[in-house]
Amino acid sequence: GAGVSQSPSNKVTEKGKDVELRCDPISGHTALYWYRQSLGQGLEFLIYFQGNSAPDKSGLPSDRFSAERTGGSVSTLTIQRTQQEDSAVYLCASSLSDEQPQHFGDGTRLSIL
Amino acid sequence: GIQVEQSPPDLILQEGANSTLRCNFSDSVNNLQWFHQNPWGQLINLFYIPSGTKQNGRLSATTVATERYSLLYISSSQTTDSGVYFCAVVVGGTSYGKLTFGQGTILTVHP
Repeated sequence: GAGVSQSPSNKVTEKGKDVELRCDPISGHTALYWYRQSLGQGLEFLIYFQGNSAPDKSGLPSDRFSAERTGGSVSTLTIQRTQQEDSAVYLCASSLSDEQPQHFGDGTRLSIL
Repeated sequence: GIQVEQSPPDLILQEGANSTLRCNFSDSVNNLQWFHQNPWGQLINLFYIPSGTKQNGRLSATTVATERYSLLYISSSQTTDSGVYFCAVVVGGTSYGKLTFGQGTILTVHP
C-alpha cells in the first residue's frame, strides 16, 4: 500500500520567509511524528500527534515552529521567519499506534538562503 | 535523557564480508528499531525489535533489553547495503513512541 507521503521534496527559500511542509500518513495510522535531520544534530524529534489528544510539542526548537493535524490525517509543519539554521531534512513518520513501528516518508529537504 | 551510542561509527567492507553493528542505550526501552538510510536519504525500516532475535534474509538483529544493547548482523554484504544504519529507541515508562536516534554507523561496501 501507499507509504508516508511528504511534499514538497525540496524547498529553497530566502531567510525570513515562511514555509509549510506537508505530510500525508499511511491510511489508518493514528500516530504521526515530525523529525529533523541536520548535519550537526543528527535525527531529532520535533512533534507528535496521537488521535485527538493534545500534541507533544516538546521537541520544537523555537516558537517559530508550529504544526497541525487536520481531521486526524494530513499534517502541516510551518516554520515562520526562517533562519539559515533551519536548513535540514524534515522527516515525517506514522505508526498504527504508539507501540508499533514507525514508517518514514522520504522527507523535505529545506534550504534557507 | 536517554543516550544511544552506536559502534563502530564507520565500517568499510569488501562485498561478501559479514559485519556486526552495535547499539548501546542507557535506560530501559519500550521499543527499538533499526533503520537503513540509503544514499538517497530514504529511511528504511529493518527491524522492530524491543527484545529477542529476528531475521530477514541476510540481516538479523538481537536485542538484550536487560543488558541494554542491540546488535545488527549483516551477512554476505552487497554494495546495495551501503549507507547509514541507525538504531532508535523509545524510552521505557513513556506513553508514546518518540524515537531517540543514535548517531549512526556509516557502512561502505566495495565491489
